[in-house]
Amino acid sequence: DIQMTQSPSSLSASVGDRLTITCRASQSVFTYVNWYQQKSGKAPKLLIYAASSLQSGVPSRFSGSGSGTVFTLTVSSLQPEDFATYYCQQSYSTPQTFGQGTKLEIK
Amino acid sequence: QVQLQQWGAGLLKPSETLSLTCAVYGGSFSAYYWTWIRQPPGKGLEWIGEINHFGTTNYNPSLKSRVTISVDTSKNQFSLMLSSVTAADTAVYYCARSERQLDTKYYYYYYFTDVWGKGTTVTVSS
Repeated sequence: DIQMTQSPSSLSASVGDRLTITCRASQSVFTYVNWYQQKSGKAPKLLIYAASSLQSGVPSRFSGSGSGTVFTLTVSSLQPEDFATYYCQQSYSTPQTFGQGTKLEIK
Repeated sequence: QVQLQQWGAGLLKPSETLSLTCAVYGGSFSAYYWTWIRQPPGKGLEWIGEINHFGTTNYNPSLKSRVTISVDTSKNQFSLMLSSVTAADTAVYYCARSERQLDTKYYYYYYFTDVWGKGTTVTVSS
């Protein structure tokens, strides 16, 4: 299985901050990476697919980049509703695998 | 607007079979893959498997010997069965819709899960 490792696992930030989360794959997954946001007690929500494509309806402050083994999710200016847990996922090979999550808390 | 409604038993004893069903309301049923994903308490997400309207399945090898995903196209429903459950199978189980888009650069498919059910909490306890 391809391992996806996110960093950091958790962090505290303030409204208005710029946030970057990194996801590293154990082997190349080209650009077959997605990012999800999950709020407590809710199902995940797709933010970014194909490494950098913004899902319809997702605010433009979210962006993704990367290829090969290193990927990033960036939030340009954190809003109160952005405090949640974020997961990367590779869809290059079966089984699809997720990172362990990055929990974002309010400072 | 597509909605997924899921149901099934929430409390099982070890060695029993987990059975969940997900109904799809709105949108096309045949154009997508239909997926099951689970999340143990306080932990991350685990992909269980998927099925399309033809009944073609893909499973996580770690669960393959115990998992069956089936589809009923007449009802726009798909189901998950997981046999011989143990406490390690305690989790929130999500049904979801997954889309494939052709990457014309590499002629490979982008794959992403864009619509999720609300989740069903399944607890395995004696």
